[in-house]
Amino acid sequence: EAQVTQNPRYLITVTGKKLTVTCSQNMNHEYMSWYRQDPGLGLRQIYYSMNVEVTDKGDVPEGYKVSRKEKRNFPLILESPSPNQTSLYFCASSLSSALRPNTEAFFGQGTRLTVV
Amino acid sequence: KQEVTQIPAALSVPEGENLVLNCSFTDSAIYNLQWFRQDPGKGLTSLLLIQSSQREQTSGRLNASLDKSSGRSTLYIAASQPGDSATYLCAVIPGGVTGGGNKLTFGTGTQLKVEL
Repeated sequence: EAQVTQNPRYLITVTGKKLTVTCSQNMNHEYMSWYRQDPGLGLRQIYYSMNVEVTDKGDVPEGYKVSRKEKRNFPLILESPSPNQTSLYFCASSLSSALRPNTEAFFGQGTRLTVV
Repeated sequence: KQEVTQIPAALSVPEGENLVLNCSFTDSAIYNLQWFRQDPGKGLTSLLLIQSSQREQTSGRLNASLDKSSGRSTLYIAASQPGDSATYLCAVIPGGVTGGGNKLTFGTGTQLKVEL
């Protein structure tokens, strides 16, 4: 089954304790990205990757890191989480790169992160 | 800057009604528009993808239309059922290469409740 898998689904952590949210897709997609969803603000892009070893900032990258060492995986790293990073996070993937943009995006089930 | 608006923010209808959800965007230069469904505790499920060159797409009881020139899309749900209760999100991929050419700009959604 084609899917995007995120782990963990729920996470409560303390300020400053480094954490990683994993994301994996099995569709051989080139493009992967992370979004956060906050009430009243909708979904906003954090980081994206157009292919292996190619990553760039989205609209709200502060406090986050990513890596793309393999095509299928795109982990989101919070080096020193703060309470304002409490949010619902989604990983997404799609086949296309900037050269072929017209394809469908698939999303993971979300990770609800609480930083206390 | 592309902005996406969804009206109404919430909608409650009796079972069996046909209904229309609205999505508007400020910049008509888009690559495509995608409608999603979000259920509590679950991820985003893609419903329909409309390419910029298309006028509409249909899947089962769902029909989505796109009018680029007026910056509008509608999602029509026929014969609504309680299982259709969810938040419906529309998103566009803006023209150009912002976000690697595949960044989605989301509306804040319409929360639909279909009552028995």
